[in-house]
Amino acid sequence: NAGVTQTPKFQVLKTGQSMTLQCAQDMNHNSMYWYRQDPGMGLRLIYYSASEGTTDKGEVPNGYNVSRLNKREFSLRLESAAPSQTSVYFCASSEGLWAQGLETQYFGPGTRLLVL
Amino acid sequence: EDQVTQSPEALRLQEGESSSLNCSYTVSGLRGLFWYRQDPGKGPEFLFTLYSAGEEKEKERLKATLTKKESFLHITAPKPEDSATYLCAVQARTGANNLFFGTGTRLTVIP
Repeated sequence: NAGVTQTPKFQVLKTGQSMTLQCAQDMNHNSMYWYRQDPGMGLRLIYYSASEGTTDKGEVPNGYNVSRLNKREFSLRLESAAPSQTSVYFCASSEGLWAQGLETQYFGPGTRLLVL
Repeated sequence: EDQVTQSPEALRLQEGESSSLNCSYTVSGLRGLFWYRQDPGKGPEFLFTLYSAGEEKEKERLKATLTKKESFLHITAPKPEDSATYLCAVQARTGANNLFFGTGTRLTVIP
């Protein structure tokens, strides 16, 4: 199993350009998440999808949109990139079954984004 | 407001020198506390989940403990390969199922 995979690994954008970050998991997990990680700050949730067909805003959703394409895939879109969106983006997934004690989130390798 | 504070920010240890990392938290009803390890340029790697005060979990040279206000990650006789950033995160009983992360402790183990 590959676990959680993310593409691309690294991207450079100019201000105003758009792009989509891709995430896929092969663990048959119900829930998926997008976080960003910035120096001196903890990982912060951008959006999450508790189950296929649902998405919700997290702590820092402004400037982003998401699509839960199917159970495996969850994409993050930047419509008009800004320098403040320079960051490392991590996708994560979990079973989403807290009552069964199955709520551990597993992370992908990250996408490093530089917006000039 | 949910808050997680990790200390120290950075820690340098000699190989074999045991120590502890601290994670203090404030959360509106703790659902679970998670420890992750993160190597440079990589994603966080899951280590432990703790659910209630008094709980302890071990894995090789690592032992995690939990009280009502904080968690400790004890590292016994560390090796250079234990060098990494250790992240603590909490999940609240209410609201979104996301994790609220601290900023991490960067551990360096010197041979």
